[in-house]
Amino acid sequence: DAGVTQSPTHLIKTRGQQVTLRCSPISGHKSVSWYQQVLGQGPQFIFQYYEKEERGRGNFPDRFSARQFPNYSSELNVNALLLGDSALYLCASSLDWDRGTEAFFGQGTRLTVV
Amino acid sequence: ILNVEQSPQSLHVQEGDSTNFTCSFPSSNFYALHWYRWETAKSPEALFVMTLNGDEKKKGRISATLNTKEGYSYLYIKGSQPEDSATYLCASYGGSQGNLIFGKGTKLSVKP
Repeated sequence: DAGVTQSPTHLIKTRGQQVTLRCSPISGHKSVSWYQQVLGQGPQFIFQYYEKEERGRGNFPDRFSARQFPNYSSELNVNALLLGDSALYLCASSLDWDRGTEAFFGQGTRLTVV
Repeated sequence: ILNVEQSPQSLHVQEGDSTNFTCSFPSSNFYALHWYRWETAKSPEALFVMTLNGDEKKKGRISATLNTKEGYSYLYIKGSQPEDSATYLCASYGGSQGNLIFGKGTKLSVKP
C-alpha cells in the first residue's frame, strides 16, 4: 500500500500570493490532519478533518483553510502569504481520530515565501 | 493549552552506547502519548502509542515507559547504532480536536 503522499514537495511563492497543498491519505484512512513545522520547533496543529468534516482547528489565522474530499484526500489553502508562513507542512492520516490511533505522516511540502 | 517538553535537545553518543530521553507533559486530562522517529528527508515514523499509566512498549532495541500521574515518558535505545540517528518526537493527544501536541524533539547522533 502507498503511504501518505503530499504534493508538491517544494514550492516557492511570493508574499501576498495564495498556495494550495495536497494530501492523499493511506487507503481506508478517513482522518487527515495538517501540521506546520518551522525550524527548531515541533509540528504545530493546523486542522483535522474526519469524514469530510472539520473536527479541529489550531491557532492559525483565517488565511488558512482546508477541506476534505469524498475520496478522503485533502487540500490546505493559505491566502495572502507572509514570510512567516515559510515552513514544512505535514499531512497525517489515520483510521479515525481516537486518541489511540496511530498517525501516518507524509514527507511534507516545503514552502518558501520570498 | 498543553506544553510538551523534551530533553535533552540533542544528544551525541558512540555506537553501542545505550541512551534515553525524556518527554514531559501536563498530567491533567491525559489521553495518549505518541512517540515518533524522524530521519532527515523522510516522514515521521510512529514508534509507540501509549495510553495507560505504567505502559511499557518495546520495538527491537527501542522501548518506552509512561507515567501519567507525574506526566512523563522515557524513551530508551539499547546499543545505539548509526541508523538510530534521527530526531525523536513525542506528542500528547489533545483531546476533543483530535490533534497531537508535539514537543520540539531530541536530536540523536550516533557516531560509528
